[in-house]
Amino acid sequence: AQTVTQSQPEMSVQEAETVTLSCTYDTSENNYYLFWYKQPPSRQMILVIRQEAYKQQNATENRFSVNFQKAAKSFSLKISDSQLGDTAMYFCAFIQGAQKLVFGQGTRLTINP
Amino acid sequence: DAGVTQSPTHLIKTRGQQVTLRCSPISGHKSVSWYQQVLGQGPQFIFQYYEKEERGRGNFPDRFSARQFPNYSSELNVNALLLGDSALYLCASSFSPAFANTGELFFGEGSRLTVL
Repeated sequence: AQTVTQSQPEMSVQEAETVTLSCTYDTSENNYYLFWYKQPPSRQMILVIRQEAYKQQNATENRFSVNFQKAAKSFSLKISDSQLGDTAMYFCAFIQGAQKLVFGQGTRLTINP
Repeated sequence: DAGVTQSPTHLIKTRGQQVTLRCSPISGHKSVSWYQQVLGQGPQFIFQYYEKEERGRGNFPDRFSARQFPNYSSELNVNALLLGDSALYLCASSFSPAFANTGELFFGEGSRLTVL
């Protein structure tokens, strides 16, 4: 079975600091995609960053970057220069077969002023 | 352009009742997926529809059913409601199922169901 595990239920940092959210996953497949989604209090799930498993280069989107370790099945998210608007639930997710997303339990991130 | 819209935003039902949740995808999107998000947990896949046909089903009982209409909007029905069905129900749309791989999967704000 495909599973996604986020071991940090909550994290809190000061504005402008760097924070890293952890995620591990389990799959026997070789071709898949990994995502980090952000869910603010508005409840709408918003894509933060995406990684294709066959690409060794780590994805980067402005202040957001990932550390993708395929052999270790690890996919962490780094947020640099954190901002108050980054406060949200963050979900790591996995998809294979163009069908369903498998989400982790989420990490509640609070950015303090 | 309008995003994925869901209705109602909030509703309260009692055990044993039935509920229908509605989703309108982004214009041009033909694939709709439903997810259940219990408080404090990540979303879980319920159904995927594409071109009005069921393409996938998660590990949910037969009390859960869905359909997609010719205009690609979708309804999720839950019968014989249980307390454990209390959750946020999210709808997501994409041009086709393959676009979910590219991250071109867009979520609505969800319908918050409370079962008393």
